[in-house]
Amino acid sequence: GAVVSQHPSWVICKSGTSVKIECRSLDFQATTMFWYRQFPKQSLMLMATSNEGSKATYEQGVEKDKFLINHASLTLSTLTVTSAHPEDSSFYICSARDAASGSYEQYFGPGTRLTVT
Amino acid sequence: GENVEQHPSTLSVQEGDSAVIKCTYSDSASNYFPWYKQELGKRPQLIIDIRSNVGEKKDQRIAVTLNKTAKHFSLHITETQPEDSAVYFCAASRDSWGKLQFGAGTQVVVTP
Repeated sequence: GAVVSQHPSWVICKSGTSVKIECRSLDFQATTMFWYRQFPKQSLMLMATSNEGSKATYEQGVEKDKFLINHASLTLSTLTVTSAHPEDSSFYICSARDAASGSYEQYFGPGTRLTVT
Repeated sequence: GENVEQHPSTLSVQEGDSAVIKCTYSDSASNYFPWYKQELGKRPQLIIDIRSNVGEKKDQRIAVTLNKTAKHFSLHITETQPEDSAVYFCAASRDSWGKLQFGAGTQVVVTP
């Protein structure tokens, strides 16, 4: 099946700094990618829909100025957590659809564990 | 927007028994219902999915049923094995972009 990668797999940053997470579709083009956040023992919560070449669509309650999303190419979307705080510590997962295949299946990245100290 | 409820939150079964997880959704326009298995610290893995034009789908020990009228769908795992222990999530999607709304998850523990 299609493969989605994320980098880094884990990151520790200090409060107030920014951190960038990359999501790549390795063997297909993804016009749409999704960013989720998952706190321990909780479900995946959709943060935003990332569209290649246009602005991301954020879910209600997600601060677009804090979670910057850039989808500059058909294989890469980035999520930047700006001015990170300890409460932003979470597991961030991206996913992508291979729209050209006509499939509804979403392929998930391996996730990025963010710890803000 | 779509709301997906999932029950039970935890499920303990003896190896070899069956496990059933149920989900309900609120948006009658939802047309895609995947089920994911997630192990601790790992990505969700699609185990089976169903579209709204189908009432049932089976893949070896796993099956999913969909009742569009009642707006609920269920995951059935037969002959459970210890390696089936994980968190299972249902989800629903209504639009062509594929935005998924997840259920809260079910922790399944299969004891030998």
